[in-house]
Amino acid sequence: QKEVEQNSGPLSVPEGAIASLNCTYSDRVSQSFFWYRQYSGKSPELIMSIYSNGDKEDGRFTAQLNKASQYVSLLIRDSQPSDSATYLCAVTGSARQLTFGSGTQLTVLP
Amino acid sequence: KAGVTQTPRYLIKTRGQQVTLSCSPISGHRSVSWYQQTPGQGLQFLFEYFSETQRNKGNFPGRFSGRQFSNSRSEMNVSTLELGDSALYLCASSLAPSGQETQYFGPGTRLLVL
Repeated sequence: QKEVEQNSGPLSVPEGAIASLNCTYSDRVSQSFFWYRQYSGKSPELIMSIYSNGDKEDGRFTAQLNKASQYVSLLIRDSQPSDSATYLCAVTGSARQLTFGSGTQLTVLP
Repeated sequence: KAGVTQTPRYLIKTRGQQVTLSCSPISGHRSVSWYQQTPGQGLQFLFEYFSETQRNKGNFPGRFSGRQFSNSRSEMNVSTLELGDSALYLCASSLAPSGQETQYFGPGTRLLVL
């Protein structure tokens, strides 16, 4: 079992819709959770960080964390074609290092 | 504030050679982590340095090594290159060790081994 798992996609949504990206992790003592966006040929850039259960909103982005279910998600409201990218879930666990999922490729169709 | 910089951006080497990549963190950041990204394996952790000490190491062979200098700049070295070492090598910096702080990535060094 991978430490951090994401739906590999690809995920396609129409412009203006809500895109939902999901991530599960195996290390129960994980404390820090991050979503990065990576455009093709570019390096990852941080979108959101979340540390406690519940929702955290930043503009069109909402991160949701449920430690009991070992689940973290990212919602993108009013999706735009410029949101088309690979989204990486990253978790810091007991190994004190950042572990990444394989990423979900999102395409927003105009 | 300037971001993380990496040099060189692109590199072509042949099997058996060695290579050294450089990373300059964001000013004030003392932690530098290195990752290898390939289409098949995704982003994999290589090692992390904090205050010139290797704090953590991923599951890579000893051909991969690194160091950090007193100004927090870091280098990684790969000896006896193999074709499978072709990848994007990313450096990320943070204020404190990666378990506690957000990491910010540099543009990466794309290495091609022929």
